[in-house]
Amino acid sequence: DSGVTQTPKHLITATGQRVTLRCSPRSGDLSVYWYQQSLDQGLQFLIQYYNGEERAKGNILERFSAQQFPDLHSELNLSSLELGDSALYFCASSVAFWDREKFFGPGTRLTVL
Amino acid sequence: AQTVTQSQPEMSVQEAETVTLSCTYDTSESDYYLFWYKQPPSRQMILVIRQEAYKQQNATENRFSVNFQKAAKSFSLKISDSQLGDAAMYFCAYRSGDAGGTSYGKLTFGQGTILTVHP
Repeated sequence: DSGVTQTPKHLITATGQRVTLRCSPRSGDLSVYWYQQSLDQGLQFLIQYYNGEERAKGNILERFSAQQFPDLHSELNLSSLELGDSALYFCASSVAFWDREKFFGPGTRLTVL
Repeated sequence: AQTVTQSQPEMSVQEAETVTLSCTYDTSESDYYLFWYKQPPSRQMILVIRQEAYKQQNATENRFSVNFQKAAKSFSLKISDSQLGDAAMYFCAYRSGDAGGTSYGKLTFGQGTILTVHP
């Protein structure tokens, strides 16, 4: 157990819908990262937050957005869902963005039908 | 942009034998970190081993060791005395060491290698 929690574990929804994925970092970690793992694209970095501020953006679609709240949990919002958004979404955390090691959560499996 | 390539989609090994997984990367940076992550069927991402580019000595963690060839931009993982529990997808990953860069902190992953361990 890495100490990073993600909810829900599984999510099944329809095209066009909007979902919110939640991540709680390890106690004391200020940095949160979101990654998408799909068969087509592999593991891709989406976005990073540090202490509530967005720090880096990767291949995140405009339909996707995220934020980190004052209690340091983070949410990834996916809207106007398409079949191709079906993937495993990981959250990772570290004390700071310069830390060498990141701890991954168990992931949220999103299925868009 | 940095890229990471794992040219072996699948590998297999007999229990107790040794296997080496390959990884190459492309970067113009001199300061960076390399990692191997294991993803078992549970899908949890587990850090196996990491290597700092400025260190010449290859990293070792119990049965896991790396062969880091900086000039060749190669970073292979050797698993000795393979065990059934080593069966998983293995990902090679790169992280920039440039603290001022916007990509600092993010991991760039290879496509992964599925390792099967035969009893």
